[in-house]
Amino acid sequence: GQNIDQPTEMTATEGAIVQINCTYQTSGFNGLFWYQQHAGEAPTFLSYNVLDGLEEKGRFSSFLSRSKGYSYLLLKELQMKDSASYLCAGLDSNYQLIWGAGTKLIIKP
Amino acid sequence: DADVTQTPRNRITKTGKRIMLECSQTKGHDRMYWYRQDPGLGLRLIYYSFDVKDINKGEISDGYSVSRQAQAKFSLSLESAIPNQTALYFCATSGGLFYNEQFFGPGTRLTVL
Repeated sequence: GQNIDQPTEMTATEGAIVQINCTYQTSGFNGLFWYQQHAGEAPTFLSYNVLDGLEEKGRFSSFLSRSKGYSYLLLKELQMKDSASYLCAGLDSNYQLIWGAGTKLIIKP
Repeated sequence: DADVTQTPRNRITKTGKRIMLECSQTKGHDRMYWYRQDPGLGLRLIYYSFDVKDINKGEISDGYSVSRQAQAKFSLSLESAIPNQTALYFCATSGGLFYNEQFFGPGTRLTVL
C-alpha cells in the first residue's frame, strides 16, 4: 500500500532550527512535496524534490533520499508565524499526491 | 483576487439533504481536484478531472459526485448528506509548466447534523 509517515506534533523555540521528517512508500515515485497549512486555511506550496539532495529556499530547505524513502523539511531562524501544520506528500506513478496527516509545529517564544 | 475560489465557505445542513459545493479558478489550469480533510488525517482525494471530458474517482468517492461544467468550474455534490461527511473540503488545481504543483482554494467547512 501507499503510506506517508510524519510526526504528529513538534515544538520548537523562536529563532531556533527544526527538522520535520517524512518517510514515504508510494506506487512508483515522481517527487515529494512539502506544503504549509495554517489552521483553518488552505495548504500552500513550499517545496518539490524529485532528485536526491538538498533544495534551499530562504529559511526553508528540503532534502530527499529516494533510496531511503525519506525526506525532511528544515526550518531555520524560526518565527512565530511559522506555527502551522507541515504536510508531506508523495507523487505516485499515476501522478496522484499521497498525503501525510501533517506535522503540527508549535513555536514558543 | 483569489485564483481558486470556493462557495460556500461554510455550510450547515441536515442528514439526507442534497448539497453542492462549487469551485472556480482563473489560473487556466486543466486539472482540478476535490479533497476532504478530517482532523488527524491527511488530505483524501474524492474526485479529480484532467480536462472537461475526463472525470476520475479518487480514494473516497462513495457518497459523492462531481460535474466539470467548464475548464474553470468543478462542482462536488453530496446526494444525500450524512454526518460522517462533516469535514473541511478543498478544491485544488494544477497545470501549466509545473503541472504537479497543486494550488488550493480557501476551503468549505461543511457540517451535517
